[in-house]
This record gives sequence, C-alpha cells and structure tokens, in this order.
Amino acid sequence: GAVVSQHPSRVICKSGTSVKIECRSLDFQATTMFWYRQFPKQSLMLMATSNEGSKATYEQGVEKDKFLINHASLTLSTLTVTSAHPEDSSFYICSAFGTDTQYFGPGTRLTVL
Amino acid sequence: GENVEQHPSTLSVQEGDSAVIKCTYSDSASNYFPWYKQELGKRPQLIIDIRSNVGEKKDQRIAVTLNKTAKHFSLHITETQPEDSAVYFCAALRSGTSYDKVIFGPGTSLSVIP
Repeated sequence: GAVVSQHPSRVICKSGTSVKIECRSLDFQATTMFWYRQFPKQSLMLMATSNEGSKATYEQGVEKDKFLINHASLTLSTLTVTSAHPEDSSFYICSAFGTDTQYFGPGTRLTVL
Repeated sequence: GENVEQHPSTLSVQEGDSAVIKCTYSDSASNYFPWYKQELGKRPQLIIDIRSNVGEKKDQRIAVTLNKTAKHFSLHITETQPEDSAVYFCAALRSGTSYDKVIFGPGTSLSVIP
C-alpha cells in the first residue's frame, strides 16, 4: 500500500524556537495533504489542508502565522511551528490520499521545554 | 461543516464478547465512513470502511453498518481479543471531491479484559 513518512519522529526544543516537520508521500503523488494535531487522550484535530503550489487552508482557530505550511512538490509538505511554546507540545500527524483511501504518517512527537 | 459524535468514550469487555461503537454525523453529503484503530503513540490504522451506497460491510470479526436516513453508523467487533484493545475513531467525509478532509469522532478507548 501507499506509504507516508514523517521526519523527525520526535523533537525536543526550547521555548521560542521554530521546528520544521516534513511529510512525504513515498510512492504516490499527493496534491493535497492534511496536518492533524493530537493531544493526549484526545482525537485527531485537523489543523490545515496543504495544497501543492498554493496556499494552505487553515481550520478555524488555527493561527496560520504560527503554523506555516509549505507544499512545494507533489510528494512533500512541511509544517513549521514558529516560536514554539510548551502548549504547542503535541503529536503532529500528516496524511495524504492515495488511490482510494487516506494514509497517515507515523507522527511527530513535539515537546517544547 | 461536518460534526461527528461517537459513543461510548470508553468501553470494557471480556475477551470473547462483542463490542459495539456508535457514531453519528451531521453532513448529509458525507458518503465515506472509515474506522481507524490507534495504538498508543502510533498512527491511526484503517480497519474497515463503508460507502453510502451500502448498508453493511463485514471483514472477518469486524463489521460496520450504516443508516443514511438516521445519519449514524456503527462498528461491531465480535469475539474480541486482548490485541483489540486500542482507541477507535470513526470518521465521515465527502469522498470524491477535491477537498476530502477527514473529520474524526472523539474516539472510543476499548479495553478487552483477558
């Protein structure tokens, strides 16, 4: 089946720094990718839809200037958490649609100290 | 937009018993309903899905039913095993459009007691 990878799998950073997370579709092209955030014992909350070659679409309540999304190619989308704070600590998961279903990346555990 | 509710939030069953998780959705245009299983710290895994043109689908011990009129769908796991313990999420979306964003239910934590 289709594979989606994420890098890094885990990152610890200091408050105020920026962190970039990469999401790649390894064996298929994805014009659209999705970024989710999941807090402990909660559901996956859609943050934004990443569109190749155009601006991302953010869900209500998600700050676009804080969570920068770039989808420069058909196989790569990046999420940059700018000026990270402890409340940004979470599990970030990307996904992309393959031929008939959605495939999730393995997730990135972000811890902001 | 779509809103998905899920019940119960937690469920404990004895090994071998059946487990049922129910979801409702709000957008009558939603036509694809996947179910995901997520183990702690891992990505969601698709376990079964159903499209709006059928009312029931079964895959070994797992089945899903859909009632389009009432806008609810359910996951049924029979002969539960300890390895079925995980968090299960239902979802609803409009498949086939250029904007196939998945809206997840709040999740059900299933514990299968040996």
